[in-house]
Formats: sequence, C-alpha cells, structure tokens
Amino acid sequence: GESVGLHLPTLSVQEGDNSIINCAYSNSASDYFIWYKQESGKGPQFIIDIRSNMDKRQGQRVTVLLNKTVKHLSLQIAATQPGDSAVYFCAENMHGGSYIPTFGRGTSLIVHP
Amino acid sequence: DADVTQTPRNRITKTGKRIMLECSQTKGHDRMYWYRQDPGLGLRLIYYSFDVKDINKGEISDGYSVSRQAQAKFSLSLESAIPNQTALYFCATSDYGGETQYFGPGTRLLVL
Repeated sequence: GESVGLHLPTLSVQEGDNSIINCAYSNSASDYFIWYKQESGKGPQFIIDIRSNMDKRQGQRVTVLLNKTVKHLSLQIAATQPGDSAVYFCAENMHGGSYIPTFGRGTSLIVHP
Repeated sequence: DADVTQTPRNRITKTGKRIMLECSQTKGHDRMYWYRQDPGLGLRLIYYSFDVKDINKGEISDGYSVSRQAQAKFSLSLESAIPNQTALYFCATSDYGGETQYFGPGTRLLVL
C-alpha cells in the first residue's frame, strides 16, 4: 500500500558551506540525467544536466558528478546561500525517442544563515 | 509571462465531485505531462501526451482522465474525487527529445 507523510532526506548546512546532494539511479541504460530544484510553492526547475559520456559537468556554483559504475549521481553546490534552500530532485532518462524520465524522491536542503 | 500555466492554483472539493485541472503552455512543445506529488513520495506520472492525438497512461492513472484539446492545452479530470487524491498536481512540457521538462506552478487540491 501507499505510505503517506514520509519525510524527505534532509541536508542542513551553514551559509557559505559547500553542499553535496546524492542520488542513486536504477536503470543502467539511462544516458541522460538532470537535477531539478523545487522551491516552496513552486514547480521543479531545471538546474543542470549531464550525459552518460561525461563524468563531470560544471555550471554556475553547481557541479554534477556521474559515476556509472555504481549508478550514482551527485550535485555539489559551492558557497551555499539561503536562496538555495529547496528540494532537489534527480531524474534519469534515455536520449530521444519515447522515454519518460524517472524522478528520485528528492532531498530537502536547508541553509542556515 | 509564465511558459506553463495551471488553473486553478488551489482547489477544495468534496468527495464524489468531478473536477478539472487545466494546463496551458506557450513553449510550443509537443509533449505534455501530468504529475502528482505527495509529501515524501516525489513526482509520480499520471498521464502523458506526445502530441494532440496521443494519450498514454502513467504509473497512477486510475481515477483520472485527460484531454489534449490542442498542442498548447492538456487538462486533467477527476471524475469522482476521493480524499486519497488530495495532493499537489503539476503539469509539465518537453520538446520532441523529451529530455528536459518544464513545470507549471502546480495546483494544490484538497478533497474533503
């Protein structure tokens, strides 16, 4: 049956610290991965993506690392700010065609000033 | 203006009532999706549509139906609402590759 009221994994950090959010994916055939940020009261928004032919990709203050051997994805946020407080989701997908992304449960990031 | 809009943003209804949630997009994307979000359970796919003539069930379609009225419009209906359908509902779009999804602001639904 369905469980309700589960608590999301939570990461609490101090402003200025670096944050690392982890995600395990399930399908070894997935070749495209995305991190989304969902702020309170809003829909998820794209942050950064990475394809399976890469193991690292950097954006502005964010870095995504991909370890295909253990099917693990991480999002690193440098110099975390209070505005980074949100729920972060990873999604796995396959390039092109009729595939639908699969979303992880999410991690709640709380940044303390 | 927002690229993906949802109406209403909040809705309270009673058990047994029929309600419709609407989604419109100006991104010109062919693909549209409806998701449900419950606390701690992430996003679960209800229905999706790859073009105007295409409708597909997602993992939790029971109790829901959809209509793709045009490329830009995709509505979700609860034929007879039940309290278990209390949740946050998101519409999303993507282009042909379907890789990155763009979400609306969500509709918070409470079924009493």
